[in-house]
Amino acid sequence: DVKVTQSSRYLVKRTGEKVFLECVQDMDHENMFWYRQDPGLGLRLIYFSYDVKMKEKGDIPEGYSVSREKKERFSLILESASTNQTSMYLCASSPGQIYGYTFGSGTRLTVV
Amino acid sequence: KNEVEQSPQNLTAQEGEFITINCSYSVGISALHWLQQHPGGGIVSLFMLSSGKKKHGRLIATINIQEKHSSLHITASHPRDSAVYICAVRRAGNQFYFGTGTSLTVIP
Repeated sequence: DVKVTQSSRYLVKRTGEKVFLECVQDMDHENMFWYRQDPGLGLRLIYFSYDVKMKEKGDIPEGYSVSREKKERFSLILESASTNQTSMYLCASSPGQIYGYTFGSGTRLTVV
Repeated sequence: KNEVEQSPQNLTAQEGEFITINCSYSVGISALHWLQQHPGGGIVSLFMLSSGKKKHGRLIATINIQEKHSSLHITASHPRDSAVYICAVRRAGNQFYFGTGTSLTVIP
């Protein structure tokens, strides 16, 4: 089975801190995605990547950046965390266009 | 307005009931994905379909491309089916757009 691993289940950070959320998949998938999930809003796409060193902005990229130096790892970076970035963050991967997503278990980030 | 609308938002059922969750979308799509999210956050893929009907155990998913509508049915519901069910549609590229989910509670 494909496994998508997010490094932390729960994280508490202070306003202004730089935050790294890590995601690793073990099945050589080309495509990786970062979403945030908020009550009543569903999943919203932050950034995605179709290949190593490639990144594309999603619907809500402001305040975030990403890094994909290796195929299996896709990192989400909050340059200066703010309280409105308190959310559930979900990473997903997919082998290609005809396939669905495999999700990680999520990181619940609280910014205080 | 969200491009993907799910109904109902919340659903409570007695164990054994037949359950239907609906998903409507407003744009052309290449595929539709039904997902299940349990408390704690993990999301599991249930079905991906682009036409017709798929069945897995007690779960059945149907899609009508002309009407831009899909349904997820659960037969003989069980408390372990309690979860949030999410519909997602794929448009251009490999991006999915997600509904806000239907929260299902099955009471013993």
